[in-house]
Amino acid sequence: DTGVSQDPRHKITKRGQNVTFRCDPISEHNRLYWYRQTLGQGPEFLTYFQNEAQLEKSRLLSDRFSAERPKGSFSTLEIQRTEQGDSAMYLCASSLAQDRYGYTFGSGTRLTVV
Amino acid sequence: DQQVKQNSPSLSVQEGRISILNCDYTNSMFDYFLWYKKYPAEGPTFLISISSIKDKNEDGRFTVFLNKSAKHLSLHIVPSQPGDSAVYFCAASTLPGAGSYQLTFGKGTKLSVIP
Repeated sequence: DTGVSQDPRHKITKRGQNVTFRCDPISEHNRLYWYRQTLGQGPEFLTYFQNEAQLEKSRLLSDRFSAERPKGSFSTLEIQRTEQGDSAMYLCASSLAQDRYGYTFGSGTRLTVV
Repeated sequence: DQQVKQNSPSLSVQEGRISILNCDYTNSMFDYFLWYKKYPAEGPTFLISISSIKDKNEDGRFTVFLNKSAKHLSLHIVPSQPGDSAVYFCAASTLPGAGSYQLTFGKGTKLSVIP
């Protein structure tokens, strides 16, 4: 296992289209997080899963955003009806339950909405 | 409102000298603080952390200092090396009982170590 894997690395989409990103965490990690980073800002929390349960969601996660983690393994983040303001780097991270702060981040998916 | 502030967008330091990166926070509920390093085209990498019950934590060339009364922390890198050139993010988390596992990040400071 080589770390947290995110796919795709880059995505360019037209405004109004739907996009889906995938995150494969470190296999033994039961916690998974999604963050979003825009230019000049630090990462902002979006949502958190423990196993397959989505336990926390930020108010940043509007109803156009949905995240899933079926079977507690990989996770997907879908954005419907994309807007230009959705352009950002979407980061996934994972950790062990007892390693509360030992996040391992993936390299991210850069979304550009044109 | 920025709860974690890194007021210096950039910092340049000569190789071998000390780098000091600063971070201020406003939320008194924060109890755990972390520093992450980020290279271009990569995700942030955990560097060092400190609990609010401590005022210093050291790991090799990296030391984090916490001043709770001032709501201020700093990261010292001694000696600085060209490979340390990256963006450094300060992050904070609230008490476990609050049930939140999210980190609140600052905007980052870009460190350039000049050979």
